[in-house]
Amino acid sequence: GQNIDQPTEMTATEGAIVQINCTYQTSGFNGLFWYQQHAGEAPTFLSYNVLDGLEEKGRFSSFLSRSKGYSYLLLKELQMKDSASYLCAVMDSNYQLIWGAGTKLIIKP
Amino acid sequence: DAGITQSPRYKITETGRQVTLMCHQTWSHSYMFWYRQDLGHGLRLIYYSAAADITDKGEVPDGYVVSRSKTENFPLTLESATRSQTSVYFCASAMVETDTQYFGPGTRLTVL
Repeated sequence: GQNIDQPTEMTATEGAIVQINCTYQTSGFNGLFWYQQHAGEAPTFLSYNVLDGLEEKGRFSSFLSRSKGYSYLLLKELQMKDSASYLCAVMDSNYQLIWGAGTKLIIKP
Repeated sequence: DAGITQSPRYKITETGRQVTLMCHQTWSHSYMFWYRQDLGHGLRLIYYSAAADITDKGEVPDGYVVSRSKTENFPLTLESATRSQTSVYFCASAMVETDTQYFGPGTRLTVL
């Protein structure tokens, strides 16, 4: 079966750095997406990786290793507004997104 | 405003009733999707559509019906609602199937 694993919850301190990991086993691979979802709101797109390596976008970076079935989202200079759930999703061979259950990130002052 | 909208935002209904959730997008995206989101689960695909009059089942289609007579609209109907269909429903759209999906604000549905 297809599976996306990510930690259920993480806690970090304002101003610090946090890394959210995602491992996957899917039928084929056509890219990996990270979304941010604030409580009670819709998921919003953060990043996309299809080739191995690091993609940097401001305070957020996303890394992919296809051989290891692994990705991480790195958030720097954490702000209180970064408190949210972070969703990892892999596009499989049928071009459908398979979603992880999400990681709830709690930022403490 | 341009974008993707859903209505209603909140709905309470009773077991056995028919309910239709609406989704409308103004980007002229070809692809539209319906997901449900439940605690402890990732988003699960119910149905998707590649274009007007083309729809296909996702992971959890049972108990749901969709139609797409116009590119911009993609309604989801629960023909006879059950308590297990209590969930938050998100509609999304994408230019092509490999593209980033953009989500509507969601409909929180409670079936009593």
